[in-house]
Amino acid sequence: DTGVSQDPRHKITKRGQNVTFRCDPISEHNRLYWYRQTLGQGPEFLTYFQNEAQLEKSRLLSDRFSAERPKGSFSTLEIQRTEQGDSAMYLCASSPSGTGKKELFFGEGSRLTVL
Amino acid sequence: QKEVEQDPGPLSVPEGAIVSLNCTYSNSAFQYFMWYRQYSRKGPELLMYTYSSGNKEDGRFTAQVDKSSKYISLFIRDSQPSDSATYLCAMSYGAAGNKLTFGGGTRVLVKP
Repeated sequence: DTGVSQDPRHKITKRGQNVTFRCDPISEHNRLYWYRQTLGQGPEFLTYFQNEAQLEKSRLLSDRFSAERPKGSFSTLEIQRTEQGDSAMYLCASSPSGTGKKELFFGEGSRLTVL
Repeated sequence: QKEVEQDPGPLSVPEGAIVSLNCTYSNSAFQYFMWYRQYSRKGPELLMYTYSSGNKEDGRFTAQVDKSSKYISLFIRDSQPSDSATYLCAMSYGAAGNKLTFGGGTRVLVKP
C-alpha cells in the first residue's frame, strides 16, 4: 500500500540533541502537513507544503524547528537543541490539491521522547 | 479559548449502547467538518466527512452539523469494543491549504 509513511516511529533523545523525522506522503498527493500531538490533546498544526513550497507555518514552529520538502516528495522535520517540552507525537499528513474532499491522510506518527 | 472545544471524557458505555459525541466551535468560517478515530499510538483515520449543515449516515455512524449553533455531533449505534478509541473532531475553512483545526479528542471505552 502507498499510505503515508513516517520514520522513525519512536525516537528517544537527550535534551540538547538534534533529531530529524522523515515523512513519505501518498505519491499522488502534492500537499504535505506536519502536526504535533501531545498526550491527551488533539493534533496541532505546525506547517504545510504544496509541492516544495512551504506555504504556512504556525507560531508553534519556533526557530529550533525546520521543515523541508526539497523535491516536492518526501519531507523532513528537524528539531534542533531539543527540550523536554518537545516530547510529543509528530504526525505527517498528505492530501491532493484541488476542489475535492478536504480530508487529510495521516501517517502513524513519530513519537519523540526527550530525556 | 480554543477554536474547537471537545469534552475529553473518558466516556464509558456498555457494548450495544449508543455513543454520543460532540464539539462546539467559535469560528463561523468553518465549512468542512470531519470526525477522525485514533487508536492508541496510531495516526488518526477519517470516519465521517460533512460539508456545511446537515446529517450524514454511514453504517453505524451518523454525523450532524448545526452551523447556526456552531455544534457538531457524532453518533455511534450498536457500539462494539473495537470502537474503543479517541474520537477527534476536525474542521476546515475550505480555503487553499486544507488545514484542519482539531478538537482535543474524546476518549471512548466500550465495555463488553
